[in-house]
Amino acid sequence: GAVVSQHPSWVICKSGTSVKIECRSLDFQATTMFWYRQFPKQSLMLMATSNEGSKATYEQGVEKDKFLINHASLTLSTLTVTSAHPEDSSFYICSATNPSGLHSYNEQFFGPGTRLTVL
Amino acid sequence: AQSVTQLGSHVSVSEGALVLLRCNYSSSVPPYLFWYVQYPNQGLQLLLKYTSAATLVKGINGFEAEFKKSETSFHLTKPSAHMSDAAEYFCAVRSGQAGTALIFGKGTTLSVSS
Repeated sequence: GAVVSQHPSWVICKSGTSVKIECRSLDFQATTMFWYRQFPKQSLMLMATSNEGSKATYEQGVEKDKFLINHASLTLSTLTVTSAHPEDSSFYICSATNPSGLHSYNEQFFGPGTRLTVL
Repeated sequence: AQSVTQLGSHVSVSEGALVLLRCNYSSSVPPYLFWYVQYPNQGLQLLLKYTSAATLVKGINGFEAEFKKSETSFHLTKPSAHMSDAAEYFCAVRSGQAGTALIFGKGTTLSVSS
C-alpha cells in the first residue's frame, strides 16, 4: 500500500519559535494532502486542504497566518506553526490522496503523526 | 453536510467476546464510509471502507462492517476480540467529491480484558 511519512515524529520547542512539519508521500504522487489536528483523547479535526501548486484552503477558525501550509511538489507538503504557543501543543497528522490516480476510491493514506509540545 | 456519530465513547469486552462499535452517518450524497484504528501515539490505520459496492465489507484483522442505508448505519464488528484489538476506533465519512477530506466521529475506545 501507499506510504506517507512525517518528520519529525515529535518536537519540543520554546514558546514564540516556529516549527516546520513535513509530510511526504513515498511511493505515489499526492495531488491533495490534508492536515488534521488531534487533541488528547479527541477526534481528528481538519485544519486545511492542500492541493499541489495551489494555496491551501483552511477550515473555519484555523488561522492561515499561524499555520502556514506549502504543497510545492506532488510528494511533499509542509506545515509551519509560526510563533508557537503552549495551546498549539497537539498531535498533527497529515494524509495524502490522489483521486485520479491508482487509488480511485479516494482512499486517504495517513502519516504517523507529529507530536508537538510547546513549552 | 456529511457527519458521523459514534455511539459510546468507551466499549469494554472480554477476550473472545463479540466486538460491536456503532457508527451512524448523515450524508446528502451516497456516502463513502471508513473505519480506522489508532494505537497510542500513532497515526491511523485503515480497517475497511464502504464505496457503494457490497454492503458487507470485510477488513483487516477479522473486522467487518455492514452498510445499512435504511438505518444510516455502518457498525463495525468482530466475532472474537483479542487483547491486541484494544485501541481507539474512528468512523469517518468522505466530506464530498473525490479528493475531499474525511469527517471523523469522536472515536470509541475499545478495552479488552482477559
